[in-house]
Amino acid sequence: KQEVTQIPAALSVPEGENLVLNCSFTDSAIYNLQWFRQDPGKGLTSLLLIQSSQREQTSGRLNASLDKSSGRSTLYIAASQPGDSATYLCAVKGETSGSRLTFGEGTQLTVNP
Amino acid sequence: NAGVTQTPKFQVLKTGQSMTLQCAQDMNHNSMYWYRQDPGMGLRLIYYSASEGTTDKGEVPNGYNVSRLNKREFSLRLESAAPSQTSVYFCASRLTFSGTQYFGPGTRLLVL
Repeated sequence: KQEVTQIPAALSVPEGENLVLNCSFTDSAIYNLQWFRQDPGKGLTSLLLIQSSQREQTSGRLNASLDKSSGRSTLYIAASQPGDSATYLCAVKGETSGSRLTFGEGTQLTVNP
Repeated sequence: NAGVTQTPKFQVLKTGQSMTLQCAQDMNHNSMYWYRQDPGMGLRLIYYSASEGTTDKGEVPNGYNVSRLNKREFSLRLESAAPSQTSVYFCASRLTFSGTQYFGPGTRLLVL
């Protein structure tokens, strides 16, 4: 059974810092991996989707990498801002899981002004 | 485009009552999903519909039923609510098998 772990569970940084969020998964037979952002009391917003054949994806100040063989992904946020404060979740789609995504529990990020 | 919409936003039920959570998407997506989110448990898939006319069980289907009314709408029904069903429920949709999944704003359900 696929398990997705995100460490740390919470992270607090000063504004302007570059930071890395980690996601690991136990079964490397994945189809793709997706990073989401969730603001308190809100739904999930998709940030980046990486297919298994890709090594990384970039959108603005965000860069997500994928090392399928080692079961790891990182989300890099450059020049963090208070508006980046949210919970960040990663989710994997397994090769044999059909339409299902397996989610991590998220990293709660606070960027202090 | 409104994206994925859910109604109601918040609901309080008594144990044993029934209710239906509504979800609609205007992106012409083929697949739709219902998740619940609980502290310490993360997001778990309840039911999904890979295409219009099909539905399948997810990880935690007990106590729920679904209907894919048409391509746009996917409803989740609780026939006899239990306190263990207190949760935040999210609907999501996706165009293709490998595509991005889009989420609605959620329904917060409290069962007393």
